[in-house]
Amino acid sequence: DTEVTQTPKHLVMGMTNKKSLKCEQHMGHRAMYWYKQKAKKPPELMFVYSYEKLSINESVPSRFSPECPNSSLLNLHLHALQPEDSALYLCASSQELAALKATQYFGPGTRLLVL
Amino acid sequence: AQSVAQPEDQVNVAEGNPLTVKCTYSVSGNPYLFWYVQYPNRGLQFLLKYITGDNLVKGSYGFEAEFNKSQTSFHLKKPSALVSDSALYFCAAAQLNKFYFGSGTKLNVKP
Repeated sequence: DTEVTQTPKHLVMGMTNKKSLKCEQHMGHRAMYWYKQKAKKPPELMFVYSYEKLSINESVPSRFSPECPNSSLLNLHLHALQPEDSALYLCASSQELAALKATQYFGPGTRLLVL
Repeated sequence: AQSVAQPEDQVNVAEGNPLTVKCTYSVSGNPYLFWYVQYPNRGLQFLLKYITGDNLVKGSYGFEAEFNKSQTSFHLKKPSALVSDSALYFCAAAQLNKFYFGSGTKLNVKP
């Protein structure tokens, strides 16, 4: 299995809702990432997990809460989001220990709309 | 400030012609350099990566990239473009705890 899967593909939520994005990989990768991508812009790194521990948090607001329950799963819990948080949320994983220097494999993303 | 620059928002090329997508970087040390491609409504796909050694790196789908240390450039090339190469291309540079994407270049290959 050489895939990173993300669910749901699309999500519409209100500003008072709580929702979660899910990412899964079965490639044995030990580093996993969350990115946010606005239209026609490059992805912005949000979080990096290495060996299920949070290693990088790029000063992301607390309304985004990552969780890595095991080496194959990565969640992003969303609460009290703002309309400007609407974006494509990408998950990625990589094998090597030097996480950011590693080749990353991306999922197809979750397109989030906050109303 | 450290950064990766892709000076062209868009590159247009005819099918069968060679293509070049430009990238320059301003990142200290010896960063790893990457090219990723993104098709509409999809995640990014890895094309190739430069770590060290030979300045010409060969990657997926017939793409290659030329590393030039003196010009701090890492241009993506393909000898003969296909219509299916039309997509958004991102150059990136990585240090141990920092990752820099360029702004992206939209490649349009016309039949």
